[in-house]
Amino acid sequence: GDSVTQMEGPVTLSEEAFLTINCTYTATGYPSLFWYVQYPGEGLQLLLKATKADDKGSNKGFEATYRKETTSFHLEKGSVQVSDSAVYFCALSGGYNKLIFGAGTRLAVHP
Amino acid sequence: EAGVAQSPRYKIIEKRQSVAFWCNPISGHATLYWYQQILGQGPKLLIQFQNNGVVDDSQLPKDRFSAERLKGVDSTLKIQPAKLEDSAVYLCASSPGQGSSPLHFGNGTRLTVT
Repeated sequence: GDSVTQMEGPVTLSEEAFLTINCTYTATGYPSLFWYVQYPGEGLQLLLKATKADDKGSNKGFEATYRKETTSFHLEKGSVQVSDSAVYFCALSGGYNKLIFGAGTRLAVHP
Repeated sequence: EAGVAQSPRYKIIEKRQSVAFWCNPISGHATLYWYQQILGQGPKLLIQFQNNGVVDDSQLPKDRFSAERLKGVDSTLKIQPAKLEDSAVYLCASSPGQGSSPLHFGNGTRLTVT
């Protein structure tokens, strides 16, 4: 069945460092891909999405490109801030707009 | 717009007891989802409704879990009897139900079974 694999955390960075969180997927057909973020004490929020191959989703300085050839959707940010500390989830949409999530990657950014 | 509302925020029960969670989706959203998020894992879909009909309940443990969405608006998820492994955050989400529209999540109900 469809599945998502993302790098294990926690990822610990200093402020202004470059961030990459790897995400790969297995799916039949051509799913849409998403990154969701969960800040401490808050619910899951959509960070960005891409609906077809080579699309780039971007929001709040974060970017991810839908790579069909490598079945990947890696999340990147050029300069992280303390306020980016959160848990990040990669997800794909299966049939009927059902989201399948990865296990999540915790990011901790220190001043 | 008002977000997805869930209650209660926290619940502690003993094993073999029953518990119910409530969700009110964003107004006008046709699709409603219940997810289970065990600590350290990603959310797992339990059941998906389109209006008041079930689209997918393949991962719902039907011997103990039940859910309904009467009138196609709010929904309740019930566990009876609860087991220790049911300790998790139960997330409700809704979407307009068109194509790959994003899901909007509530803050969840954290259930602890002792």
